[in-house]
Amino acid sequence: GQQVMQIPQYQHVQEGEDFTTYCNSSTTLSNIQWYKQRPGGHPVFLIQLVKSGEVKKQKRLTFQFGEAKKNSSLHITATQTTDVGTYFCAGPTTSGTYKYIFGTGTRLKVLA
Amino acid sequence: DTGVSQDPRHKITKRGQNVTFRCDPISEHNRLYWYRQTLGQGPEFLTYFQNEAQLEKSRLLSDRFSAERPKGSFSTLEIQRTEQGDSAMYLCASSLGGGGVISYEQYFGPGTRLTVT
Repeated sequence: GQQVMQIPQYQHVQEGEDFTTYCNSSTTLSNIQWYKQRPGGHPVFLIQLVKSGEVKKQKRLTFQFGEAKKNSSLHITATQTTDVGTYFCAGPTTSGTYKYIFGTGTRLKVLA
Repeated sequence: DTGVSQDPRHKITKRGQNVTFRCDPISEHNRLYWYRQTLGQGPEFLTYFQNEAQLEKSRLLSDRFSAERPKGSFSTLEIQRTEQGDSAMYLCASSLGGGGVISYEQYFGPGTRLTVT
């Protein structure tokens, strides 16, 4: 079945360092969404990418959708302690409905 | 608070008992999703509604799970004859969306944490 994998699974960085998580789908995606889940919290929507090769920025966060629409990345510049949490990508299935498959997530810890 | 709400927030039950969870989506959202999340994993799709119609149910679910969304408003998720493996966080999410191909962001509720003893 369709799978969405993320690497790395865990990342510890010193505050101020950059961070990148990669998302890879086994099938082509019509769009991809990114969510952040703080420890003890629920997923919160960050962004949606739709176009092949699309790049979007939100302050220190840069999101990219691959040309083949099978992979995506999230890059955080100069991490802060408020960036701590797990980052998930999610893509709709190819079944024609709006079922979303969430990635395995990347858990980010930022050391002050 | 106009966000997604879930009730109860925590539920402890004994194996074999039935449990029911409720989700109240954002009022203008016509799509509603149920997910299950275990520690260290991403949300796992359970089922999804477009208005009152249940459009898809995960093949991972056994017949012990059922969900309803009467009148296209709130939704309930029932688990019958609970097993220890059902222990997890059950998340509800809602979004806008009609019959077209556009996808919308999902707004998640705080979840119901189920512990089966």
